Amino acid sequence: EVQLVESGGGLVQPGGSLRLSCAASGFTFNMYNMNWVRQAPGKGLEWVSYISSSGSTIYYADSVKGRFTISRDSARNSLYLQMNSLRAEDTAVYYCARAVVATIGGFDYWGQGSLVTVSS
Amino acid sequence: QSALTQPASVSGSPGQSITISCTGTSSDVGGYNYVSWYQQHPGKAPKLMIYDVSNRPSGVSNRFSGSKSGNTASLTISGLQAEDEADYYCSSYTLSSTLVVFGGGTKLTVL
Repeated sequence: EVQLVESGGGLVQPGGSLRLSCAASGFTFNMYNMNWVRQAPGKGLEWVSYISSSGSTIYYADSVKGRFTISRDSARNSLYLQMNSLRAEDTAVYYCARAVVATIGGFDYWGQGSLVTVSS
Repeated sequence: QSALTQPASVSGSPGQSITISCTGTSSDVGGYNYVSWYQQHPGKAPKLMIYDVSNRPSGVSNRFSGSKSGNTASLTISGLQAEDEADYYCSSYTLSSTLVVFGGGTKLTVL
């Protein structure tokens, strides 16, 4: 069974940092492209970042570019999102999501989400 | 403001069919066959219903279908059921520096 489990969320002050982790199981992690998607309270979905299966290709949303860093560790079957210079508008539930093989933008498995709250 | 435009809400009665539209531009929806649709129930993670415009993942009911014409993609749900009541989001690959864009979401109410 495919499982994605996020961790690392919590309350952080504006300007602070946080690192999210996503533990993957039930599939061959290093064969899949992965993404982070967030959802602010009561709002819609917002794509945040993408990393290819090899880790060689990375994309970011303009809203997080220069502040967030996506990475992966195939030995640990884990995906990460390092978030620096956090702002109030980064408050959201952050989901890791697996991309459908051989396409772009279809996310077939999602974690349960990790809540990040940026507030003083 | 979302990059893709969806109606805020749609409704239908059990057994009826409804269609949710998703309008973009030639740089996203109109230019590529990489439109996906997601269903999200309150407090739950999104679920993929359609990818690559019209493909259904394994396990998704054939009551859900997708299509595209020009810059507008559509999700049609036939034989509406109470459990279909949820928020629905479209997404598309985009030529811009942002890889993927989502629509603002549509709340489906089953009357």
